[in-house]
Amino acid sequence: KAGVTQTPRYLIKTRGQQVTLSCSPISGHRSVSWYQQTPGQGLQFLFEYFSETQRNKGNFPGRFSGRQFSNSRSEMNVSTLELGDSALYLCASGSSGYAYNEQFFGPGTRLTVL
Amino acid sequence: AQKITQTQPGMFVQEKEAVTLDCTYDTSDPSYGLFWYKQPSSGEMIFLIYQGSYDQQNATEGRYSLNFQKARKSANLVISASQLGDSAMYFCAMTKGEGDKIIFGKGTRLHILP
Repeated sequence: KAGVTQTPRYLIKTRGQQVTLSCSPISGHRSVSWYQQTPGQGLQFLFEYFSETQRNKGNFPGRFSGRQFSNSRSEMNVSTLELGDSALYLCASGSSGYAYNEQFFGPGTRLTVL
Repeated sequence: AQKITQTQPGMFVQEKEAVTLDCTYDTSDPSYGLFWYKQPSSGEMIFLIYQGSYDQQNATEGRYSLNFQKARKSANLVISASQLGDSAMYFCAMTKGEGDKIIFGKGTRLHILP
C-alpha cells in the first residue's frame, strides 16, 4: 500500500505570494489533517478534512485555507505569504474518520519564504 | 486543555542500551489516544506506537514499548537494544479521537553513540 504523498517537497516563495500544497492520503483513508512545524512553535494543527468537509480547525489566520476533493486528496493554500510562514508542512492520513490509532504522516513540504 | 510535556530536550545513549523517553500528559477527557512518532532529519513523521486510554495492557511494537501509567498520566517510550538508526527526534502526542487534532510535545532529540 502506498504511503502518504505530498507535493512539492520543497518550495521557495517571496513575501506576498500565495502557495498551494497537495497531499494524497493512503488509499482508502478519508481523513486528512495538516500541521505546521517550526523550530519555535513546534508542531501545530492547521485543519482536518473528512469526506470533503472541514471538521476541525486550529488557531491560524484566514490566510491559511484548505479543501478536500472527492478522491480524498487535499490541498492547503496560504495567501499573502509572510516570512513567518516558513516551515515544514505535514499532512496526516487517517482511516474511517477515527483519529485514535491511525494517523500516518507524509514526508512534508518544506516552504521557505524570502 | 490538553497538554503534552517532554522534559528531555536531548539524550545521548550508547548503542545496544535500552532507552526510556519521558512523556507526561494532561487532559480531563476520559477517552484519549497516545502516540509516539519518530522524526529523522529527513523530516517525515514515522508512527511508532499507539496506546488507547482504555487499553489494559501496555502497547508493544517490536523494539518499542509504551509504559502507560494512567494514574500518573505518564506514557514513556522504551526502546530496547538501541541502534544507530534510532538517532532522531521523538515526539509524544495525544488526541481525543475522531476528527480531533493531535497535540504534540516539544520532542526529545535522541543520539545513539557507537
